[in-house]
Amino acid sequence: QVQLVESGGGAVQPGTSLRLSCAASGFIFTNYGMHWVRQAPGKGLEWVAAIWYDGSKQLYADSVKGRFTISRDSSRSTLFLQMDNLRGEDTAIYYCARDDCSGGSCLAKWGRGTLVTVSS
Amino acid sequence: QSALTQPPSASGSPGQSVTISCTGTSSDVGGYNYVTWYQQHPGKAPKLMIYEVTKRPSGVPDRFSGSKTGNTASLIVSGLQAEDEADYYCASYAGSNNFYVFGTGTKVTVL
Repeated sequence: QVQLVESGGGAVQPGTSLRLSCAASGFIFTNYGMHWVRQAPGKGLEWVAAIWYDGSKQLYADSVKGRFTISRDSSRSTLFLQMDNLRGEDTAIYYCARDDCSGGSCLAKWGRGTLVTVSS
Repeated sequence: QSALTQPPSASGSPGQSVTISCTGTSSDVGGYNYVTWYQQHPGKAPKLMIYEVTKRPSGVPDRFSGSKTGNTASLIVSGLQAEDEADYYCASYAGSNNFYVFGTGTKVTVL
């Protein structure tokens, strides 16, 4: 069955970096675009970044542009999110999700999320 | 990238219907037929309920339906059941620059 398992979260200080991973299984990873979505404690969902199925294009929310980098390793069926210069407002559960729509995006499969806490 | 606007809460008794609105602009909801709806129970990951405004993934009950008029999309939950109590989020494709934007979320309570 389809599985997405995030890892790499933790508690870090402002200004530092963290790299999240999302291990995919149960489907052909190279056939799907992938996204990161976050949810601050008690708040709503916020789209963070997306990457094309072949890694040819990456898109970012304005709130993370220039600080976060999304990438993928097809040989390991793994999605990454490199987060640099972290801020308190980046504190959230980070979900990876599979995009099942070729047009305007629909996130049909989600992981359970990994918690990132940015605090001094 | 402003969030789409949803009412904070909605409620209904078992068996009744509830409608959740999602208001955006001509650059997102109104510009494309790419509105999606997600259901999220406490402590769980979101679940896709509706995509491309009106389409239901397999396994989603036909009690859930979607529509759109202009810059406002709607999710209709008919025949409310206890398990429908959850947070609901709309989202929309927003063009090649902003790409994807979520709504503010609506908490649905089954009375």
